[in-house]
Amino acid sequence: AQKITQTQPGMFVQEKEAVTLDCTYDTSDQSYGLFWYKQPSSGEMIFLIYQGSYDEQNATEGRYSLNFQKARKSANLVISASQLGDSAMYFCAMRGFKAAGNKLTFGGGTRVLVKP
Amino acid sequence: DTEVTQTPKHLVMGMTNKKSLKCEQHMGHRAMYWYKQKAKKPPELMFVYSYEKLSINESVPSRFSPECPNSSLLNLHLHALQPEDSALYLCASSQSRRDRTSTDTQYFGPGTRLTVL
Repeated sequence: AQKITQTQPGMFVQEKEAVTLDCTYDTSDQSYGLFWYKQPSSGEMIFLIYQGSYDEQNATEGRYSLNFQKARKSANLVISASQLGDSAMYFCAMRGFKAAGNKLTFGGGTRVLVKP
Repeated sequence: DTEVTQTPKHLVMGMTNKKSLKCEQHMGHRAMYWYKQKAKKPPELMFVYSYEKLSINESVPSRFSPECPNSSLLNLHLHALQPEDSALYLCASSQSRRDRTSTDTQYFGPGTRLTVL
């Protein structure tokens, strides 16, 4: 069984500041992938960044970086230089590589509101 | 181009209606998914098609009937729905590489907001 926990239901961040969204996970799989998605109020789930369990370096994609601490089972998302358009719900998800049908397990989400 | 399209964007239907949701992708992906998402909750997986075959049905009621006519299209047929079925329905696709260590990222469409009266 897999479980994703996002402990921050909501947070405010000042425009141009960095923000860290917490994600911890639990799995018995030795190999797995971790994903972050952004969901604006329009509804679309937008893929942001991926980290594989055997990747030695933390993933980065533009203003997004993933602070992966395997021993602590955490995969926090860092958004640098926040913009108003970053206001959205953010979901952490994981897939064990044994998972049938590429099933993703999602956390409960963190709502971010960027203030001007 | 990572694009998954869904129609319609919004749908209002009565409990006796029959309607269909449509999803299309042209990324050459071989896996397609239906999710249901209630307000302020994460998406819940409903169905997975892999190489046009239904591979996962998460114990979804029979009033939801998926169909995968070809590798680019995915439909969800709706019949005799209940008000509690009102939700955002998301379609996703992924490459479905047979290499189990691959990323196989799921890309989502914009969703259909369904209201059942």
